[in-house]
Amino acid sequence: GAGVSQSPSNKVTEKGKDVELRCDPISGHTALYWYRQSLGQGLEFLIYFQGNSAPDKSGLPSDRFSAERTGGSVSTLTIQRTQQEDSAVYLCASSFGPSNEQFFGPGTRLTVL
Amino acid sequence: KQEVTQIPAALSVPEGENLVLNCSFTDSAIYNLQWFRQDPGKGLTSLLLIQSSQREQTSGRLNASLDKSSGRSTLYIAASQPGDSATYLCAVRVGRGGSNYKLTFGKGTLLTVNP
Repeated sequence: GAGVSQSPSNKVTEKGKDVELRCDPISGHTALYWYRQSLGQGLEFLIYFQGNSAPDKSGLPSDRFSAERTGGSVSTLTIQRTQQEDSAVYLCASSFGPSNEQFFGPGTRLTVL
Repeated sequence: KQEVTQIPAALSVPEGENLVLNCSFTDSAIYNLQWFRQDPGKGLTSLLLIQSSQREQTSGRLNASLDKSSGRSTLYIAASQPGDSATYLCAVRVGRGGSNYKLTFGKGTLLTVNP
C-alpha cells in the first residue's frame, strides 16, 4: 500500500496480558515513530527508530513497553502485563529521514479491561 | 520543555463561516510547525507544514501563518463546510541539537460545522 498501515485496528485485552502492535511504514522511509494518544492527554511521543536502531526511547512510559524494528521496515510495539492506564490509541508514523514530514497510520485502539 | 496550546478546545460554526484556530508554543526555537486533521477513529492527515523560515502556507481554503518570535500559529479556514468537521491538531518540531525529529502536539480543536 501507499500509506502507513497498522494492525490490529482494535485490540481488547485483559489486564495483565501482553499485547503486540504492528506498524508497516511507507516503503523507503528510514525513520519510524510511535506515539500514544490518550483521552485528555493529547498525542505523546514514545520512540523513534532510524533504520533498525532506536536512538530515542525517552517517551516509553515504563519498562513494560518495548519496541523493535527489523529489516529497516516493520516495527512492533510490545506492552507486557497491560494495565488499564495503557488504554489509548497507538499511532505509528514514518518519514524519509528524521527531518522530513511524518506520515501517520490509522492507529491501533487498545482497550485494557 | 516545549509546550503547545490550542485555543479554543472546541468550536461550532454555521456552514459558510470563515474561522481561525489558534496554536501557541513556548519555545520559539522550532524547526517547523505542522497542522493535522483527525477524523473520529482515524489517523492524522497532514494539512500544512510551515518551515521555521516561512511566514505562511496555503492549500485551497486553508491558510496557516507562523510568527515564530511570538510563538504563535493560526489556521484560517475559509467558507467552512460540514466536511471540515474534525479535530485539528498543531504540532511543532524542535530545532535544537539532533532532536528535530520529535513532534510535540497540542491537544487539538474539535471543529463542528453545522449545515
